[in-house]
Amino acid sequence: DAGVTQSPTHLIKTRGQQVTLRCSPKSGHDTVSWYQQALGQGPQFIFQYYEEEERQRGNFPDRFSGHQFPNYSSELNVNALLLGDSALYLCASSLTGYTDTQYFGPGTRLTVL
Amino acid sequence: QKEVEQDPGPLSVPEGAIVSLNCTYSNSAFQYFMWYRQYSRKGPELLMYTYSSGNKEDGRFTAQVDKSSKYISLFIRDSQPSDSATYLCAMSARGGAQKLVFGQGTRLTINP
Repeated sequence: DAGVTQSPTHLIKTRGQQVTLRCSPKSGHDTVSWYQQALGQGPQFIFQYYEEEERQRGNFPDRFSGHQFPNYSSELNVNALLLGDSALYLCASSLTGYTDTQYFGPGTRLTVL
Repeated sequence: QKEVEQDPGPLSVPEGAIVSLNCTYSNSAFQYFMWYRQYSRKGPELLMYTYSSGNKEDGRFTAQVDKSSKYISLFIRDSQPSDSATYLCAMSARGGAQKLVFGQGTRLTINP
């Protein structure tokens, strides 16, 4: 049973650039959530996608946007990158309507120079 | 004030010791409580998932939830060097796909 996968593993960008991160959920899951984890901190919720729509959003600016595809995979886009966007970006998948918790992927480490 | 408070450590104990990790929270709506283990530069791995107050045991791990005190704990018995990692507590109001609120994480080292 394939778990949550994310690509790429690492990414280096410069300030002002744009980046796209990708996530494939665990088999059978239909909901994808994205989290940002700064060094030495716990993950912070960015937003969640279900049925190809953003369902919940955390306290992140509009520079952060996303998309969910019909096969439930998802993308996270960040525009106008800032140094402070350097972090581990985690994708978590779950199944809406069930109380089972979320399962995380290995993350994408983004470095903004 | 953060919704979830967790002592970041670091915590260092000898192999075989009993480890106690704790979190406090302020939001009384939280009903689902999780502990994740995260190795360096990896994604969080679910260890324990509990609903409401009470205890749950899984092998060497025991999770406790005291909603009246807004306090949760994770105990690790017979700790091993392979348990060295960062431990994150997380919680949510409705479980499932509901967004998770995490503590800062406690960095734990088990010394052989």
